[in-house]
Amino acid sequence: GAVVSQHPSRVICKSGTSVKIECRSLDFQATTMFWYRQFPKQSLMLMATSNEGSKATYEQGVEKDKFLINHASLTLSTLTVTSAHPEDSSFYICSARDRTGRETQYFGPGTRLLVL
Amino acid sequence: GQSLEQPSEVTAVEGAIVQINCTYQTSGFYGLSWYQQHDGGAPTFLSYNALDGLEETGRFSSFLSRSDSYGYLLLQELQMKDSASYFCAVSGSARQLTFGSGTQLTVLP
Repeated sequence: GAVVSQHPSRVICKSGTSVKIECRSLDFQATTMFWYRQFPKQSLMLMATSNEGSKATYEQGVEKDKFLINHASLTLSTLTVTSAHPEDSSFYICSARDRTGRETQYFGPGTRLLVL
Repeated sequence: GQSLEQPSEVTAVEGAIVQINCTYQTSGFYGLSWYQQHDGGAPTFLSYNALDGLEETGRFSSFLSRSDSYGYLLLQELQMKDSASYFCAVSGSARQLTFGSGTQLTVLP
C-alpha cells in the first residue's frame, strides 16, 4: 500500500524557536497533502490543504504566518511552526492523496512536538 | 460547515460484533470514511463509502445512507487488538477530511 513518511517523529524545542516537519509520499505522487493537528484525547483537526505548486489553503483560525506550508514537489510538503510556544505542543499528522484521484488518504506516522 | 456525531465510548467482548454509528451534517458531501487509531499512532484507513450501501472488507464493514446522513462501521469477531479509537470522517469538495470526535472501543477478554 501507499506509504507516507514524516520527519522528525518527535521533537522537543525551546519556546521561540522554529520547527520544520517534513511529509513525504514514498511510492506515489501526491497532488494534495493535508496537515492535521491532534491534541490528547481529541479528534484530528484539519489545519491546511497543501497543493503542489500553489499556496496552501488554511482553515479558519489557523494562522498562516505561524504555520508555514510549502509543497514544492509531488512527493514533499513541509510544515514550519514559527516561533513555537508551549500551546503549540501537539501531534501533527500529514496525509496525502494520490494523483489518480482515489478517495483514500494515506496518513504519515505523525510528529509529536513538545515546546518547552 | 460540517459536523459529525459518534458515540464517545463502546465496550464489547472478544468475538462479539459491534456497530459504531455516525451521523453527519455537511454543506458538501463526497463520501464517508472510517479510520482506526491506536494510542500514540497515526490514523489507519479502514473503509470509504461514496454511495449508499454496504462495503465489506474482511471483519470490517461500513454502511452509508446519504438520504439519512448516516453511516456505521461494523466490526465482527472482535479481537483484543481492535481496541482503539475509531473516527468517521466526511470528505469535502477539496477532498479534505472533517473528522468526528472519535469512538473509543474497548474489547474485553
